[in-house]
Amino acid sequence: DAKTTQPNSMESNEEEPVHLPCNHSTISGTDYIHWYRQLPSQGPEYVIHGLTSNVNNRMASLAIAEDRKSSTLILHRATLRDAAVYYCILRDHTTSGTYKYIFGTGTRLKVLA
Amino acid sequence: DGGITQSPKYLFRKEGQNVTLSCEQNLNHDAMYWYRQDPGQGLRLIYYSQIVNDFQKGDIAEGYSVSREKKESFPLTVTSAQKNPTAFYLCASSIGAGAGANVLTFGAGSRLTVL
Repeated sequence: DAKTTQPNSMESNEEEPVHLPCNHSTISGTDYIHWYRQLPSQGPEYVIHGLTSNVNNRMASLAIAEDRKSSTLILHRATLRDAAVYYCILRDHTTSGTYKYIFGTGTRLKVLA
Repeated sequence: DGGITQSPKYLFRKEGQNVTLSCEQNLNHDAMYWYRQDPGQGLRLIYYSQIVNDFQKGDIAEGYSVSREKKESFPLTVTSAQKNPTAFYLCASSIGAGAGANVLTFGAGSRLTVL
């Protein structure tokens, strides 16, 4: 399975930047790196995705290592509403030619007021 | 608005009963997925479907069954064979094969409690 490794938890002060790391050393050449976040008792929501180049959107930035074996989700100014579990996932190719998405346990981000 | 609707939001079941969770999407997505989440844990894949009338087992398919008779619908049945069915169930969809990024869209979830 395409596997990602993330720290279990991180803390940040409100209004400060947060860098959430993810290792994905088994990534294949055509797989996008996805980030989602989940608030308590809700379904995960899409944050950002990228292939090779760094990406920015209104929610966050994604910095991808040159060898693509790691990436970092950057929240430029953390707010209390950003407190959530953040998941970094890859598309996993199966032997039958289909693909699936495997979620790990993610990083629980705590934002301190 | 386009999205995924899961129902019911909360469901209670007696041991030994089958229960079916509904998942409907109006996003015209080809692929659909079911995940299970236990307290404090990540999401585990139960079943997924890339096209109508076809689906594959995920990592924890035992005790569950699905059907994909229509593109917009992917119901999940939790059978009496599932030994510990109390969990939060999440349905998701994506555009499907051939679309490079394939961003997942999730429903709000169904919380099943076995009494």
